[in-house]
Amino acid sequence: GAGVSQSPSNKVTEKGKDVELRCDPISGHTALYWYRQSLGQGLEFLIYFQGNSAPDKSGLPSDRFSAERTGGSVSTLTIQRTQQEDSAVYLCASSLRISGAYNEQFFGPGTRLTVL
Amino acid sequence: AQTVTQSQPEMSVQEAETVTLSCTYDTSESDYYLFWYKQPPSRQMILVIRQEAYKQQNATENRFSVNFQKAAKSFSLKISDSQLGDAAMYFCAYRSAISGTYKYIFGTGTRLKVLA
Repeated sequence: GAGVSQSPSNKVTEKGKDVELRCDPISGHTALYWYRQSLGQGLEFLIYFQGNSAPDKSGLPSDRFSAERTGGSVSTLTIQRTQQEDSAVYLCASSLRISGAYNEQFFGPGTRLTVL
Repeated sequence: AQTVTQSQPEMSVQEAETVTLSCTYDTSESDYYLFWYKQPPSRQMILVIRQEAYKQQNATENRFSVNFQKAAKSFSLKISDSQLGDAAMYFCAYRSAISGTYKYIFGTGTRLKVLA
């Protein structure tokens, strides 16, 4: 009966390094979303998955950002050659379905990324 | 492109009183969903209430209700009998109901303080 989990909860890295952020959605949820929340800002949509497919990647800020989802479950957001402006909280959410009455998103606690 | 605007960065309310948080949005679509999310200091986003645009009746969830004015593109949240646990950031969000469009658009949030 676990909710959405994310790891690590906090990540400090040096500029130029690559980082991987992980999201474990609620079991059975077919849709998964990634957001970025910068200090004092709202949520910025990055990407969503329907199953293992990501139909819309337009929210990814640059080609340094990529995401994948395997087995219709775990998703990884990878940021290559991190920059200081990448510092933010990265939130993951999942929903039972992508559309219709079961599209309520359940959020994870987020990963706070700090790039020094 | 759709936008969501929350013009009140911060609001305060006395415990047991009523407060209304404002949200306006811009869209050319006729069918969509609107949401209010709560983000307490723990960072975990929680769905407070949702409204389908095709429904004229305003959604209610216990002490939380909305005033949905479709023509004015306004979606305010009313919290009655405010409690200390209501203190949080509140985000308004929009999502199209058009098949194939599953991107959520969030406002910048309103920080609600509840005074004892």
